[in-house]
Amino acid sequence: SAVISQKPSRDICQRGTSLTIQCQVDSQVTMMFWYRQQPGQSLTLIATANQGSEATYESGFVIDKFPISRPNLTFSTLTVSNMSPEDSSIYLCSVEPGLAGDNEQFFGPGTRLTVL
Amino acid sequence: AQSVSQHNHHVILSEAASLELGCNYSYGGTVNLFWYVQYPGQHLQLLLKYFSGDPLVKGIKGFEAEFIKSKFSFNLRKPSVQWSDTAEYFCAASFYNQGGKLIFGQGTELSVKP
Repeated sequence: SAVISQKPSRDICQRGTSLTIQCQVDSQVTMMFWYRQQPGQSLTLIATANQGSEATYESGFVIDKFPISRPNLTFSTLTVSNMSPEDSSIYLCSVEPGLAGDNEQFFGPGTRLTVL
Repeated sequence: AQSVSQHNHHVILSEAASLELGCNYSYGGTVNLFWYVQYPGQHLQLLLKYFSGDPLVKGIKGFEAEFIKSKFSFNLRKPSVQWSDTAEYFCAASFYNQGGKLIFGQGTELSVKP
């Protein structure tokens, strides 16, 4: 398994500002992902954070709005840029250690973002 | 596009009742299937997973799920629920050659009355 921490755990931000969320894993992992969970909805994948190269974004998500860094195999950041109230969500980091070969992912506790 | 659907949005049961939550996926190829649970105020945890082999998989806390390939289904079951099973349950799938990403169902909120 993997233990994942995220900072901050929650934040309240003004529209037009940006917030950077950090994700730290207790072991080196190849695959890291960022998900969004909007109020009352399921999880939607934003992007795959690739170490040493640009993140791979899902349809509907763009790098200018959600820039991602992955400087090493244990850390990643997601920035929510130029925020609007529609960005109010829980943002989750997950990792796939890949040990079992079955794409099992472990999730962080999430960052609850409220945009006013 | 691949998708995962859960039939029940909100299920209310009394303690000791049996539980079955439906999950269907859209893809006919190789698929890995998961059930995650999110207890109030806690983060997502894996309940069980199907990768290959025996289609009946057993997970933690007495949960099990059956992979029925012909029906594209992976329903979650528990013979007797407890109040502590109150949580949100998510079915998820990863599809062959999709980079390991998970596609989640809409989630089912389970409320167990004591």
